Amino acid sequence: GENVEQHPSTLSVQEGDSAVIKCTYSDSASNYFPWYKQELGKRPQLIIDIRSNVGEKKDQRIAVTLNKTAKHFSLHITETQPEDSAVYFCAASDTGGFKTIFGAGTRLFVKA
Amino acid sequence: DTAVSQTPKYLVTQMGNDKSIKCEQNLGHDTMYWYKQDSKKFLKIMFSYNNKELIINETVPNRFSPKSPDKAHLNLHINSLELGDSAVYFCASSQDLASSQRTPYEQYFGPGTRLTVT
Repeated sequence: GENVEQHPSTLSVQEGDSAVIKCTYSDSASNYFPWYKQELGKRPQLIIDIRSNVGEKKDQRIAVTLNKTAKHFSLHITETQPEDSAVYFCAASDTGGFKTIFGAGTRLFVKA
Repeated sequence: DTAVSQTPKYLVTQMGNDKSIKCEQNLGHDTMYWYKQDSKKFLKIMFSYNNKELIINETVPNRFSPKSPDKAHLNLHINSLELGDSAVYFCASSQDLASSQRTPYEQYFGPGTRLTVT
């Protein structure tokens, strides 16, 4: 069945460093790739997304890249800050978005 | 002005009981979802509803029965609760264009309902 693999499961960086989280997906029909941030005890919230007709998207300190051929997509956070500490989920969604498969999550720790 | 709300926030109950979780969105969205997040933080889709119609049912036991009385509400009823049902259940909603232009959009999550079955 459809699957989204996410690595690493835990990532610890020093404040100011960059963090990269990578995902691969299996369903060729996926065409929407959102990233969600979930702080402890809170709900997941969208931080950035990318559609299959775009290779890269940037929003201030975060960027996402997509390689449809290889079925890879990645999240890049630059100049990390302690408030970036959270669990990050990648996801892949079909047309209509009715079925969104989430990766297992990456717990990011940013040390001050 | 809460976008997606769920009640209750916490639910503690015994095995074998039946319980319901309610979800409401005031965003005017067409699609609503239920997700289960277990203790390892895996987020797994359970159901998707579009315009009150069930679209996705992800091999969820039939003890779980969603009900959408209108586009703004998607409730989850669980019969004969089991220990393994303990998790955080998130409701979510998203906009959807006309079927001729189906494009997935951002999902807005509710605050979650922490269900503990003892």
